[in-house]
Amino acid sequence: QKEVEQDPGPLSVPEGAIVSLNCTYSNSAFQYFMWYRQYSRKGPELLMYTYSSGNKEDGRFTAQVDKSSKYISLFIRDSQPSDSATYLCAMSEVGQNFVFGPGTRLSVLP
Amino acid sequence: DGGITQSPKYLFRKEGQNVTLSCEQNLNHDAMYWYRQDPGQGLRLIYYSQIVNDFQKGDIAEGYSVSREKKESFPLTVTSAQKNPTAFYLCASSIDSRTSGVETQYFGPGTRLLVL
Repeated sequence: QKEVEQDPGPLSVPEGAIVSLNCTYSNSAFQYFMWYRQYSRKGPELLMYTYSSGNKEDGRFTAQVDKSSKYISLFIRDSQPSDSATYLCAMSEVGQNFVFGPGTRLSVLP
Repeated sequence: DGGITQSPKYLFRKEGQNVTLSCEQNLNHDAMYWYRQDPGQGLRLIYYSQIVNDFQKGDIAEGYSVSREKKESFPLTVTSAQKNPTAFYLCASSIDSRTSGVETQYFGPGTRLLVL
């Protein structure tokens, strides 16, 4: 079992839909959780950062962490074609290196 | 503008050749990282450095080498010992989490390495 799992997609949705992207993990010591957006042939861009459990909202994006289920989610409301990208989750223990999921490719169709 | 720059954007390597990828940051970050990205796989850590003149191997260091002579710079050399070097290489930096307690990384635009 990989340490961080993520549905690779591709996920196709119509413009305006609510998108749910998810990662599961096996290491209960993970404390820091991040979501990155990566456009084709570009470097990943940090979208959301969460420490421990709970929700965090930033505009159309909401990050949710459920440590009891070892499950994190990123919700995108009112999705736009410009949201079409690969979304990577990443997580780490305190003072340790990050572990990345393989990414989910999202297409938002106009 | 503060950020991370990588050069070149594309790099071609011939058989038996060593090539060096550049990474520079002006964010005043202590820690720097090199990752390799292959299709359908997560980012894999090659090397990282938390302070100048010190670096550690990541998960896939074989066939690669690095140096950290300046805080701003962390070049990666892909040696001829790396038999499958074709990939997208990403450099990242972060504040030293050991002192800041912050765990986030910021990435450069990447270098795509291709073998001739």
